[in-house]
Amino acid sequence: EPEVTQTPSHQVTQMGQEVILRCVPISNHLYFYWYRQILGQKVEFLVSFYNNEISEKSEIFDDQFSVERPDGSNFTLKIRSTKLEDSAMYFCASSGGLYNEQFFGPGTRLTVL
Amino acid sequence: DQQVKQNSPSLSVQEGRISILNCDYTNSMFDYFLWYKKYPAEGPTFLISISSIKDKNEDGRFTVFLNKSAKHLSLHIVPSQPGDSAVYFCAARLDQTGANNLFFGTGTRLTVIP
Repeated sequence: EPEVTQTPSHQVTQMGQEVILRCVPISNHLYFYWYRQILGQKVEFLVSFYNNEISEKSEIFDDQFSVERPDGSNFTLKIRSTKLEDSAMYFCASSGGLYNEQFFGPGTRLTVL
Repeated sequence: DQQVKQNSPSLSVQEGRISILNCDYTNSMFDYFLWYKKYPAEGPTFLISISSIKDKNEDGRFTVFLNKSAKHLSLHIVPSQPGDSAVYFCAARLDQTGANNLFFGTGTRLTVIP
């Protein structure tokens, strides 16, 4: 069964450093998403991406964040200068159509020290 | 910003009985609702969904009920099985062209006791 994969599973970084979280969406999906979940809180939408551009973003997704689809398979989330409050579980998701169900990856746990 | 609320952080149910998980929302512009299940160290897994034009959707042991006037939905699992033990998230989507971002509740941890 096709699935969304994410690497690494756990990333530890120092405050102020740049991190890149990687995702491989399901191969025939066209819509890609990033969500995050701070420990003990709800899952929050960050950004959606379609046709090589951002289609929606939340207030959380400020200038420190960027997304890219560098090739036909990967979808990345970059945080330029990490802050302590960026520590969270980051989930990538993909869907085959705009209104189709989203399939989530296992997440990357980001710890900012 | 609590547009989707799950007021019960946890629920314990005996195997074979019915599990009822509840979810309330405040935004009347939500037009589509989903339930996701999450095991530890895994991402949310889609379970079942319902459009705002329906009041019930059933898939095997899982049934979702929607009461639009009360802005309330519930997920029924019957009969409950130990493998159903997980965190269940309610999610909603806005009735907005081109929008598909999901608003999640805080989750309810279901424990099914053998």
